[in-house]
Amino acid sequence: AQSVAQPEDQVNVAEGNPLTVKCTYSVSGNPYLFWYVQYPNRGLQFLLKYITGDNLVKGSYGFEAEFNKSQTSFHLKKPSALVSDSALYFCAVRDISGDSSYKLIFGSGTRLLVRP
Amino acid sequence: DTGVSQNPRHKITKRGQNVTFRCDPISEHNRLYWYRQTLGQGPEFLTYFQNEAQLEKSRLLSDRFSAERPKGSFSTLEIQRTEQGDSAMYLCASSLTGPNRAQYFGPGTRLLVL
Repeated sequence: AQSVAQPEDQVNVAEGNPLTVKCTYSVSGNPYLFWYVQYPNRGLQFLLKYITGDNLVKGSYGFEAEFNKSQTSFHLKKPSALVSDSALYFCAVRDISGDSSYKLIFGSGTRLLVRP
Repeated sequence: DTGVSQNPRHKITKRGQNVTFRCDPISEHNRLYWYRQTLGQGPEFLTYFQNEAQLEKSRLLSDRFSAERPKGSFSTLEIQRTEQGDSAMYLCASSLTGPNRAQYFGPGTRLLVL
């Protein structure tokens, strides 16, 4: 069965420091991987995706993510955190094998808190 | 650029009542998805449409739930005989056709069943 794990409920960093939000996945075939951010009482906002090619993917607002097939991970990173990055972050996977379902499987989310 | 819109944004209802939510996708997007998100959890897939055809339904979508997209544009999600366990945020997303397209989400409809 497909699944996504975000092992940290919350990540705390100081403004200006690098941040990492962890994500591991499990699929039977090849994955398409996504990161979304959610601000309070808002829908999810797309940040970036990995489909194929370069394992380092760059996205919106200075975020990037690194795909690691051997570790089945897709960690979200940013070199220098901003207070405004404080939000809830979701990793999602789509299994492109088999019946090619288009549904996304989401992790439980990681709350990022950037302190001034 | 108009994003995905959802109405209403909030709905409070009594147990046993029927509710209907509307989603207007990004205009050129022919795929439309419904998800449900409960507090502290990630969104869970409910169903998706390609144009007007409903192509996949989750087992979470009980027979009290029905979704339509009659003209391949907006979609409605109806919940009949609501239960307290239906309280959640209902999210709509849309995307272009293609296996690697990102889904773009609306602001959601928050449902509270009393």
